[in-house]
Amino acid sequence: QKEVEQDPGPLSVPEGAIVSLNCTYSNSAFQYFMWYRQYSRKGPELLMYTYSSGNKEDGRFTAQVDKSSKYISLFIRDSQPSDSATYLCAMIWGNTGNQFYFGTGTSLTVIP
Amino acid sequence: DVKVTQSSRYLVKRTGEKVFLECVQDMDHENMFWYRQDPGLGLRLIYFSYDVKMKEKGDIPEGYSVSREKKERFSLILESASTNQTSMYLCASSLGAYEQFFGPGTRLTVL
Repeated sequence: QKEVEQDPGPLSVPEGAIVSLNCTYSNSAFQYFMWYRQYSRKGPELLMYTYSSGNKEDGRFTAQVDKSSKYISLFIRDSQPSDSATYLCAMIWGNTGNQFYFGTGTSLTVIP
Repeated sequence: DVKVTQSSRYLVKRTGEKVFLECVQDMDHENMFWYRQDPGLGLRLIYFSYDVKMKEKGDIPEGYSVSREKKERFSLILESASTNQTSMYLCASSLGAYEQFFGPGTRLTVL
C-alpha cells in the first residue's frame, strides 16, 4: 500500500464550478499537509499547507485535513481556466527530506 | 523570489553514458533535493542534502549519486545511464521543512 493515495483524474469542470481534490494516507504520524500546483512544463509550487487537523482558507482555495479519517482535501471555488494544472498533495512527519511524501497528482482542466 | 535553476530543460543521452544534472539555488537554502517524476508514480525522492558535503539517500538512490561541494549547487550523477532512467528530474531547495521550491525540471531521455 502506498503511503499517499491520490486519484490521478483527469478532472474536467466548467468555469465557475467548485472543485474537490482529495488524498488519503496511511501513516498517522504525518503532521504537515501540503498542496502543490504544477503547471505544464513547470516544477511544482506550494499552494497551501496546514498543520494537523482543521481547515485553512486562502482566497478561493480551502485546504481541509481530517486526521481521524486520514483524508485531506483541497476545494477550489469559482474555478478559473488559470486553475488548470496538476495538483499534488504532500505530507511529512519529520523535518528531513526523506520523510516527505507526495501523491501522484490530479490533473485538472477548467473549461471556459 | 527564490530561484532554482537546472542546467538543461531537455537532455538526450545514450545507454552507458555518464550524465550530470546540475541544480543551483540563489536563496542560501540549507536543504536541497533531487526527485524524479514519472506518470502514475508521482514524485520520488532520489537523494537530498541538508548541508554542504552532506547527503542522504531517498527512496530510489540506486543508479544515482550526488555531489554538493557548495551550498548553492547540488548535482545529480547517473554513473551509467540506462533506459529506465528516462524521466523528468526535478531539483528543489528549502529552508524549512514543508515548503520546497522547485526548478523547472530536466526531461532526460536515455536511448
